[in-house]
Amino acid sequence: DAGVTQSPTHLIKTRGQQVTLRCSPISGHKSVSWYQQVLGQGPQFIFQYYEKEERGRGNFPDRFSARQFPNYSSELNVNALLLGDSALYLCASSHETGANSPLHFGNGTRLTVT
Amino acid sequence: AQSVSQHNHHVILSEAASLELGCNYSYGGTVNLFWYVQYPGQHLQLLLKYFSGDPLVKGIKGFEAEFIKSKFSFNLRKPSVQWSDTAEYFCAVNAWGAGSYQLTFGKGTKLSVIP
Repeated sequence: DAGVTQSPTHLIKTRGQQVTLRCSPISGHKSVSWYQQVLGQGPQFIFQYYEKEERGRGNFPDRFSARQFPNYSSELNVNALLLGDSALYLCASSHETGANSPLHFGNGTRLTVT
Repeated sequence: AQSVSQHNHHVILSEAASLELGCNYSYGGTVNLFWYVQYPGQHLQLLLKYFSGDPLVKGIKGFEAEFIKSKFSFNLRKPSVQWSDTAEYFCAVNAWGAGSYQLTFGKGTKLSVIP
């Protein structure tokens, strides 16, 4: 079975630009979550989507937005990029939305903002 | 809001040594607890999890963790490490009643095992 796939793997953007990151969950998984991992830190929760609805949002500014499509894939958008947005962005999928359904992580998209 | 503290930033051990990685969380209610591992160049993988019941949880590759509610701790252990255990280990907590399934991670502990 294919795992969680994320694209692109690496991305370099300039301050002020906008970026879109993509995630395809494991087949049959209905929930997608996004996490930001800054160098030297653990992943930090950004969003959770389940059945195309936002179920949770972490402490991130409105520049961050996301959506989930009917096929359960997801996009994370970040507007007006700041240097501090440089990080590894992780997507995780799970079959359901509860904690009994473990998260499966992708390899991430490494975003560098210059 | 919950938080997770991992005591060690970097641990260096020789093969066959015993391992214990500390993890403490702060949250007054019911929690689910997890340990994830990230091998070099690979994605985060679930090592083990605690939801309820027996506080001693066994995971993959010989790892185990003990939930001590009174100490708000969930330490990871392995009796004898191998070179292949070299990785970064993350403790995480999910608080019940948060309304969504969101994990709060610690900063991680990098484990280096010397052959």
